Amino acid sequence: NAGVTQTPKFQVLKTGQSMTLQCAQDMNHEYMSWYRQDPGMGLRLIHYSVGAGITDQGEVPNGYNVSRSTTEDFPLRLLSAAPSQTSVYFCASSQGMDRVSYEQYFGPGTRLTVT
Amino acid sequence: KQEVTQIPAALSVPEGENLVLNCSFTDSAIYNLQWFRQDPGKGLTSLLLIQSSQREQTSGRLNASLDKSSGRSTLYIAASQPGDSATYLCAVIGFEKLTFGTGTRLTIIP
Repeated sequence: NAGVTQTPKFQVLKTGQSMTLQCAQDMNHEYMSWYRQDPGMGLRLIHYSVGAGITDQGEVPNGYNVSRSTTEDFPLRLLSAAPSQTSVYFCASSQGMDRVSYEQYFGPGTRLTVT
Repeated sequence: KQEVTQIPAALSVPEGENLVLNCSFTDSAIYNLQWFRQDPGKGLTSLLLIQSSQREQTSGRLNASLDKSSGRSTLYIAASQPGDSATYLCAVIGFEKLTFGTGTRLTIIP
């Protein structure tokens, strides 16, 4: 198993550009999520999905869109990049997040710089 | 809203010592708690997952405890080694969401 994969590893954008961060998992996990990590602020939840076709907002969703058309993939879209979105982005997955929750698996991260 | 605190933010200890990292949370209605390690510029590596019905979990030199009623978890590292130097994060797992602490940056001095 490759686990959770993310592409690209690094990206530089200009203000106003759009892009999609890719996330995929091969563990048949129902739950997937996106976090951003900023110095002094820890990891904050952007969006999450409890299954294909279902998404919901986390703590900091503004400026980001997601969709979940398959169990395996959960892309994160930046519609119009802003310098405040400079961060490290992590994708995570787990078997479920229901009454019984499971271990979370994280991807290697994408370092995004917006100039 | 769940809040997770890790104190201290940074810790330096000589090699070979035993040490304890702390994690506290405000809402005891959690499912699980997970400890991670993060090396500089890298992703998160899972260390231990404690389910809410458990009081502790062990893996090698690591032992994590959970006290839901007091809103606390500790990560005990025995016989510390320079390779243990990293940032340690705890994450509280509630319904559909994880909440992370800001981490403790651990340095083991050879």
